[in-house]
Amino acid sequence: DVKVTQSSRYLVKRTGEKVFLECVQDMDHENMFWYRQDPGLGLRLIYFSYDVKMKEKGDIPEGYSVSREKKERFSLILESASTNQTSMYLCASRRTGFHEQYFGPGTRLTVT
Amino acid sequence: GDSVTQMEGPVTLSEEAFLTINCTYTATGYPSLFWYVQYPGEGLQLLLKATKADDKGSNKGFEATYRKETTSFHLEKGSVQVSDSAVYFCALSKGNQFYFGTGTSLTVIP
Repeated sequence: DVKVTQSSRYLVKRTGEKVFLECVQDMDHENMFWYRQDPGLGLRLIYFSYDVKMKEKGDIPEGYSVSREKKERFSLILESASTNQTSMYLCASRRTGFHEQYFGPGTRLTVT
Repeated sequence: GDSVTQMEGPVTLSEEAFLTINCTYTATGYPSLFWYVQYPGEGLQLLLKATKADDKGSNKGFEATYRKETTSFHLEKGSVQVSDSAVYFCALSKGNQFYFGTGTSLTVIP
């Protein structure tokens, strides 16, 4: 089974803090994704990566950056957290040539 | 552009009732279609998939058939259980793009 893990299930940070969300997958997938999920808005793609050190902006990249130094790990960085970044963050991975994405359990981030 | 539209919720059913959650899509070419399920406090889990027209995906008693003529992929289950209470997402994949519906919340009452 594909296993995608995220570093924290719940996180509380203060406005202006730098926040790191970590995601690790154990199936050697080339592609990794970060989404945020908000009520009534569904899932929105923040960034994705199709290879080590490669990244592409998704639909809502503003206020976020990412890092992919190793194939199995994809980090989402909030440079200066703001209250409107309070959300559920979901990481996913996908093997090239296959269509389905596999998701981690999510990190519920609250910025106060 | 490509998109997925699924029925608004919430949906409340009694145990053993029949479930249908409608999903239609807009896409050129031949996308792959998915249903994901999200239990409270959890991430999304792949429930079933279909990669070409007339394919039927099935898992855990849920089924959905890829209908190209009606651009639909409706989720069905003959007899729901309390444990099926969750949010269900229809999704479309084409190339490197993945599109989700907004989710349909299902509550099954005993």
